[in-house]
Amino acid sequence: QVQLVQSGAEVKKPGASVKVSCKASGYTFTSYGISWVRQAPGQGLEWMGWISAYNGNTNYAQKLQGRVTMTTDTSTSTAYMELRSLRSDDTAVYYCARAGPNPSADFDYWGQGTLVTVSS
Amino acid sequence: SYVLTQPPSVSVAPGQTARITCGGNNIGSKSVHWYQQKPGQAPVLVVYDDSDRPSGIPERFSGSNSGNTATLTISRVEAGDEADYYCQVWDSSSVVFGGGTKLTVL
Repeated sequence: QVQLVQSGAEVKKPGASVKVSCKASGYTFTSYGISWVRQAPGQGLEWMGWISAYNGNTNYAQKLQGRVTMTTDTSTSTAYMELRSLRSDDTAVYYCARAGPNPSADFDYWGQGTLVTVSS
Repeated sequence: SYVLTQPPSVSVAPGQTARITCGGNNIGSKSVHWYQQKPGQAPVLVVYDDSDRPSGIPERFSGSNSGNTATLTISRVEAGDEADYYCQVWDSSSVVFGGGTKLTVL
């Protein structure tokens, strides 16, 4: 069965960076992409970007360009999302989701979420 | 940027039909996906490409899309359907989510 297992909760200070991992299993990792979606407390879903696990191509949300980097390690079927220069409004639950081989597809499987808290 | 508009809340009695709308400029020309999210849980895909259902999603969930409105319809609503629902499209090299609709089962 398809599973996406994310790393644990993080607490960071403003200005720091965070790197969240997402380990995939139960499918051919390189046949799909991974999208990252975040959700601030009590708010809706916000797409952060997509990465192809096949060739590493990325498509980032304009709002986060320059602060976010998404990578994959095909040897371990793991995707990573790094967010830099953290601010208090980056406090959110961060989800990875399996996406299609192009960024326009739906998200059919999701990780359990990783809470990132940014606080001084 | 493209905007998707959903009603903040919809209420329905058990056994009745719930319709959750998602408005956007010419949304009928796009593929719409719908997600269900219960408190403290990750979203779950319930309808993709306007009207297709992933395996394991009950037939009570259906979708349509035309003109400026896409609709998620939940027939014979059950207490377990109470959740937030989000629509999603792809536009101008970006994924766009609607603001979400809280479905309350009375």
